[in-house]
Amino acid sequence: EVQLVESGGGLVQPGGSLRLSCAASGFTFSSYWLTWVRQAPGKGLEWVANIKQDGSEKYYVDSVKGRFTISRDNAKNSLYLQMQSLTAEDTAVYYCASSPSHHYGYWGQGTLVTVSS
Amino acid sequence: DIQMTQSPSTLSASVGDRVTITCRASQSISSWLAWYQQKPGKAPKLLIYKASSLESGVPSRFSGSGSGTEFTLSISSLQPDDFATFYCQQYYNYPLTFGGGTKVEIK
Repeated sequence: EVQLVESGGGLVQPGGSLRLSCAASGFTFSSYWLTWVRQAPGKGLEWVANIKQDGSEKYYVDSVKGRFTISRDNAKNSLYLQMQSLTAEDTAVYYCASSPSHHYGYWGQGTLVTVSS
Repeated sequence: DIQMTQSPSTLSASVGDRVTITCRASQSISSWLAWYQQKPGKAPKLLIYKASSLESGVPSRFSGSGSGTEFTLSISSLQPDDFATFYCQQYYNYPLTFGGGTKVEIK
């Protein structure tokens, strides 16, 4: 059974940092693109970042460039999102998802990040 | 960036109805389009990829069509489990973008 389990969310002050993790199992992790998608409370889905199978290519939405860093550890079947300089606009549920291409069939349950003083 | 516009934003329908949701891209995306269903408090679920390919395990009442800039998701006979919000997503180029969503409500 495929499982993606996010962790690391929580309450952080504006300007703070947080590192999200996503632990994967049940599929050949190193063969899949991985992504982070977020959803602000009551809003739609927003793609955040992608990383290629070997980590050689990374892509970000403009609003997080220079502040967020996506990474992966294929030996640990894990995906990460390092987030810095957080603002209230980053408050959202963050989902990790995987795909052999860029349509995402496997999703985690999400982890909530709240940026507030 | 490619803008994805869905219509309608809300749709009221009854069990057994045929439902159609439209997604328009601001430029051609060939067939690089996916559809997702999301229920409250849950992660999105992939329904359709490459505009018309049905994801494994998804009921055949769901179908997708279109290419270029105009796409549709159809549900042939709406079931109680189908009331949810639906999103389209283009993966023609970066940044990947989603439509604003269509909420299908019980009439």
